[in-house]
Amino acid sequence: GIQVEQSPPDLILQEGANSTLRCNFSDSVNNLQWFHQNPWGQLINLFYIPSGTKQNGRLSATTVATERYSLLYISSSQTTDSGVYFCAAGSYNTDKLIFGTGTRLQVFP
Amino acid sequence: DTGVSQNPRHKITKRGQNVTFRCDPISEHNRLYWYRQTLGQGPEFLTYFQNEAQLEKSRLLSDRFSAERPKGSFSTLEIQRTEQGDSAMYLCASIVGTAVNEKLFFGSGTQLSVL
Repeated sequence: GIQVEQSPPDLILQEGANSTLRCNFSDSVNNLQWFHQNPWGQLINLFYIPSGTKQNGRLSATTVATERYSLLYISSSQTTDSGVYFCAAGSYNTDKLIFGTGTRLQVFP
Repeated sequence: DTGVSQNPRHKITKRGQNVTFRCDPISEHNRLYWYRQTLGQGPEFLTYFQNEAQLEKSRLLSDRFSAERPKGSFSTLEIQRTEQGDSAMYLCASIVGTAVNEKLFFGSGTQLSVL
């Protein structure tokens, strides 16, 4: 099945800094989603982005499907951005999403 | 409707006991997924339903696990003869239509601790 890898595993930032999180996947995908898991464990869907670029406030995401990677950009980070960011990918022969191991982000004031 | 609802929020049980979790998806969401998440890992797929039909089960889902979705509404996940290795967060998610072009929405999860 499809493999999903994320980097870096951990990221520590000061408030106001920008960051880029990367997601690599091993096969062609027709589904790519980014999630934020807050410190209370709730998974929040940030983007559905199997290809192209989307922006939502300080967050944006780009997926280059032909090169099998996706990037999540966080600008002007805030302490509330802390948590774990997961990407999840789905391939053409399945309707399930496979999650990566996540990037743990800590933003300090 | 406020989102995907899961009950109970926490469950502590002794090894060998049976436990059942409930998931109420967002109204009109016809696909429902169960995932399991252990500390430091991403969610792992367990099974999913399209309405009342269970369409796929992971090899992670041993014979002790059973999931149902009667009438295509809420779903239950039962674990029989629990083992310490079953301790994890059990997450439910729902989606309208197919997963191909829709966002997946998760509940808050049920944290299971097997003593």
